[in-house]
Amino acid sequence: DVKVTQSSRYLVKRTGEKVFLECVQDMDHENMFWYRQDPGLGLRLIYFSYDVKMKEKGDIPEGYSVSREKKERFSLILESASTNQTSMYLCASSPYSDPGQPQHFGDGTRLSIL
Amino acid sequence: AQRVTQPEKLLSVFKGAPVELKCNYSYSGSPELFWYVQYSRQRLQLLLRHISRESIKGFTADLNKGETSFHLKKPFAQEEDSAMYYCALIYNFNKFYFGSGTKLNVKP
Repeated sequence: DVKVTQSSRYLVKRTGEKVFLECVQDMDHENMFWYRQDPGLGLRLIYFSYDVKMKEKGDIPEGYSVSREKKERFSLILESASTNQTSMYLCASSPYSDPGQPQHFGDGTRLSIL
Repeated sequence: AQRVTQPEKLLSVFKGAPVELKCNYSYSGSPELFWYVQYSRQRLQLLLRHISRESIKGFTADLNKGETSFHLKKPFAQEEDSAMYYCALIYNFNKFYFGSGTKLNVKP
């Protein structure tokens, strides 16, 4: 069974801090994703990566960056956290070869920026 | 532009009643469509995908290209079906869109 693990379930940070959210998957998937989940807005894609060191912007990349140095790990970085980045963040992975393959999600990180 | 529209934020039905969660999408080509479900305090997980044409937990969904819809249906709702449901669209290997979600509440 695919396992996507997010390093923190809950995180509280202050405005202006640099924040790192980490995600690891154990199924050798090429694709990895970062979404934010907000009530009434659903899931919105921030960034995704289809290979090591490769990334593409999603719908809402502003204020975020990502890093993928190893295939199994995908990090989301908030360069200077702001209160409007308070949200639930979901990481997911999927195989690249077939877009019909589903994404597998982690438990999420609930991030609060004070 | 909103690629996936789920018009209902909340849908309440009684146990045993039929349920239909609506999903419309904007894409003129051949899409990959999915329904995901998130039960209380659980991670988001795949419910079904159109390509497999299967029934999962009594749910089915038919792709209607003419109406660009992928509605999720179940003839007899159960209390354990109460959850948040998301419709998702993928195309071109690099376009991924989720709807805003519909919360299904099945009352006893």
